[in-house]
Amino acid sequence: NAGVTQTPKFQVLKTGQSMTLQCAQDMNHNSMYWYRQDPGMGLRLIYYSASEGTTDKGEVPNGYNVSRLNKREFSLRLESAAPSQTSVYFCASSDRSRDRGGTEAFFGQGTRLTVV
Amino acid sequence: AQSVTQLGSHVSVSEGALVLLRCNYSSSVPPYLFWYVQYPNQGLQLLLKYTTGATLVKGINGFEAEFKKSETSFHLTKPSAHMSDAAEYFCAVSDNFGNEKLTFGTGTRLTIIP
Repeated sequence: NAGVTQTPKFQVLKTGQSMTLQCAQDMNHNSMYWYRQDPGMGLRLIYYSASEGTTDKGEVPNGYNVSRLNKREFSLRLESAAPSQTSVYFCASSDRSRDRGGTEAFFGQGTRLTVV
Repeated sequence: AQSVTQLGSHVSVSEGALVLLRCNYSSSVPPYLFWYVQYPNQGLQLLLKYTTGATLVKGINGFEAEFKKSETSFHLTKPSAHMSDAAEYFCAVSDNFGNEKLTFGTGTRLTIIP
């Protein structure tokens, strides 16, 4: 049982380049999330998807787009990378219906992105 | 809107000493509260959570936390620190009205002194 799998684990981009971060979960969860983690700022929600076919903005969506390809996969795209997007990106999934209140989110290992 | 404040971005304790990591929350509705741990170069994993019922919650690795509504706090404790507890700890909150999104605190890095 792999849980949440993110690819790639590391990436260096030049300013203005584009890339897509991939995320897949094998737990049949309805909800998926993208967070970014920056020193001293904790984790901030970029986008989330409550179910297949739906997406919504989080706290810091500017400069990003997402696609919920199917129930398993949720990708994050940077159309024109900027140095301010240098961060560690985490994908997570959860399923409220499986918990008796208080949804536990399961996280991937993260993608460390550097934009130069 | 919900928010979480973690007091102390860095905490150092001696091996065998009490661990106390502080978390205060702000929520306009009854909250669900969580503590997550992040080991170096890894993702986050759940330590424990409070939803309803008993206010003292026990988690993995000997950690526990107490929900105190009057103090809007959810501090994390462990009676005796172990070297393997060195990690970053995040407090998080979500509401209990169908919103599964987590709002995280800024994290506390715990260092264990041998």
